[in-house]
Amino acid sequence: SAVISQKPSRDICQRGTSLTIQCQVDSQVTMMFWYRQQPGQSLTLIATANQGSEATYESGFVIDKFPISRPNLTFSTLTVSNMSPEDSSIYLCSVGAGVQIRDTQYFGPGTRLTVL
Amino acid sequence: GESVGLHLPTLSVQEGDNSIINCAYSNSASDYFIWYKQESGKGPQFIIDIRSNMDKRQGQRVTVLLNKTVKHLSLQIAATQPGDSAVYFCAENPNGGATNKLIFGTGTLLAVQP
Repeated sequence: SAVISQKPSRDICQRGTSLTIQCQVDSQVTMMFWYRQQPGQSLTLIATANQGSEATYESGFVIDKFPISRPNLTFSTLTVSNMSPEDSSIYLCSVGAGVQIRDTQYFGPGTRLTVL
Repeated sequence: GESVGLHLPTLSVQEGDNSIINCAYSNSASDYFIWYKQESGKGPQFIIDIRSNMDKRQGQRVTVLLNKTVKHLSLQIAATQPGDSAVYFCAENPNGGATNKLIFGTGTLLAVQP
């Protein structure tokens, strides 16, 4: 499986600021995704990061709040904008194992965000 | 609506015993399922997957069973070890392969007692 790294691993931020999270993969992958995991809860898909085009957002998530970039096949960023304490979560990127839609997804270590 | 739930939020077992973690899914169109293990402070780790054309799949010390009739998925861990202590999530692709979306269950905490 691909080796996935995220930066930062954790951060504490002030209300109203923004944080950009980076996801780096050690090999080219077609599919990259961003998830949110609120404290003590399960994972929810935020969006699919598409290379060369705008991300595809899930219901309840919008580009103004969570802008995503995907400049190439090994890198993506997620920005959490105008943060509030409700945004305190673990943010995870994942990659698809292959080119098929139903391939396995592998996850990065996550970014633990606390908003004060 | 779409939902994936677990019967037992917490499971405590003795070291060496077998563990069974259950998951119910609601979308009959789901055709791909994955079990993940998440240790404290880490991202989810892939354990095993199964496609809907199979009823059973075995890995190293783990077996996944799929019952499409009752929309039930289980993960069996043989000879459970302290290192198996973690939260386990099931996930499904609910759209018959039309999208990449994975729906995750609520998670089961497996506590292995030495």
